[in-house]
Amino acid sequence: QQQVKQSPQSLIVQKGGISIINCAYENTAFDYFPWYQQFPGKGPALLIAIRPDVSEKKEGRFTISFNKSAKQFSLHIMDSQPGDSATYFCAATPRGGKLIFGQGTELSVKP
Amino acid sequence: DAGVIQSPRHEVTEMGQEVTLRCKPISGHNSLFWYRQTMMRGLELLIYFNNNVPIDDSGMPEDRFSAKMPNASFSTLKIQPSEPRDSAVYFCASSFTAGRYGYTFGSGTRLTVV
Repeated sequence: QQQVKQSPQSLIVQKGGISIINCAYENTAFDYFPWYQQFPGKGPALLIAIRPDVSEKKEGRFTISFNKSAKQFSLHIMDSQPGDSATYFCAATPRGGKLIFGQGTELSVKP
Repeated sequence: DAGVIQSPRHEVTEMGQEVTLRCKPISGHNSLFWYRQTMMRGLELLIYFNNNVPIDDSGMPEDRFSAKMPNASFSTLKIQPSEPRDSAVYFCASSFTAGRYGYTFGSGTRLTVV
């Protein structure tokens, strides 16, 4: 019940395309859902986050879609660029608890 | 702000030796987390502290691992004795109020045990 399941494991997208990464969770106590971006040799960095009282949050080319009833959330990267090539992690946490990370998605954006 | 500072960046040690990883969290953050990252297991939480007190160490693999946070600006993760299977990247992260805001990660320590 503490797991966050992420898919796909890897994704190849052409420059200008839309990248979509999906996550699912079981624990209904989760109430904070961040996405992290990690470049090689660096630590994960917070990209965008959402709380379950909204269904969508957009920051620039990055959008989180959240479906509370289905216990799913996804990251959409519009107009994907080669500089977006990185590993993306979804995560979830209950109030006052620890972040539980998905397994990660390695995104490659081809020029 | 210098962010979360970890040292060393790389560590190569022989099996059986003691290894100490160090972390300086962001000033004002009251929660600190140690993670281990491997290809096989992804990001695993080893232990986290709130206000310098260990809250959850259920992720610590075995007694060879220990962590301390003697004050709000410093934490260590020690492995004694080290084994080849401990080879991984170890990250420290800090946040203001665990679970309510995003974590800020350090750049990690790449540990190789030969």
